[in-house]
Amino acid sequence: GDSVTQMEGPVTLSEEAFLTINCTYTATGYPSLFWYVQYPGEGLQLLLKATKADDKGSNKGFEATYRKETTSFHLEKGSVQVSDSAVYFCALRGFNAGGTSYGKLTFGQGTILTVHP
Amino acid sequence: DSGVTQTPKHLITATGQRVTLRCSPRSGDLSVYWYQQSLDQGLQFLIQYYNGEERAKGNILERFSAQQFPDLHSELNLSSLELGDSALYFCASSRDGAAYNEQFFGPGTRLTVL
Repeated sequence: GDSVTQMEGPVTLSEEAFLTINCTYTATGYPSLFWYVQYPGEGLQLLLKATKADDKGSNKGFEATYRKETTSFHLEKGSVQVSDSAVYFCALRGFNAGGTSYGKLTFGQGTILTVHP
Repeated sequence: DSGVTQTPKHLITATGQRVTLRCSPRSGDLSVYWYQQSLDQGLQFLIQYYNGEERAKGNILERFSAQQFPDLHSELNLSSLELGDSALYFCASSRDGAAYNEQFFGPGTRLTVL
């Protein structure tokens, strides 16, 4: 079945440092890939997405590129801020055996990011 | 604010009891999803409804059931509760069930079973 593996956390950085959170996936066909962010006490918010190979999703300075050859969707940001402290989830939406897309999201385990001033 | 509302925000109950969690999707969204977030299992998909019909099922226990009503709100019923059912339960909605459509998440209901 589908699965998503994220780098182990937590990740602690100083403000303005470079961020990479690794994400790899296993799925049949061409799933859609997502990064969600969860701020303390809140629900998940979509950060960015990519729906086909070589697509680059970007939002609020974060970027991730859909790499089918390495089945990866790593999240990057050039200069993090204290306000980026949150839990980040990589997720995919895949296809059933008949090739029909289905709605459920399969999530990675989440990576806690803490940014210090 | 995602536009998805969930009630109650917190729920504390005892083992063996039954609870109902409620979700109202964003205006115009036809599909509702339920997810469970726990420390040991992470975020797991439970069930999806589309316009009142069950569309997909995930790792949902037989003690759990859900439905989507004609006004499109959804309820998740958890019965014979066990300590291990303590978790954050999220509802999400999307325009329809297509893979490219974004799912908008509610703030969650935190269930504590004592």
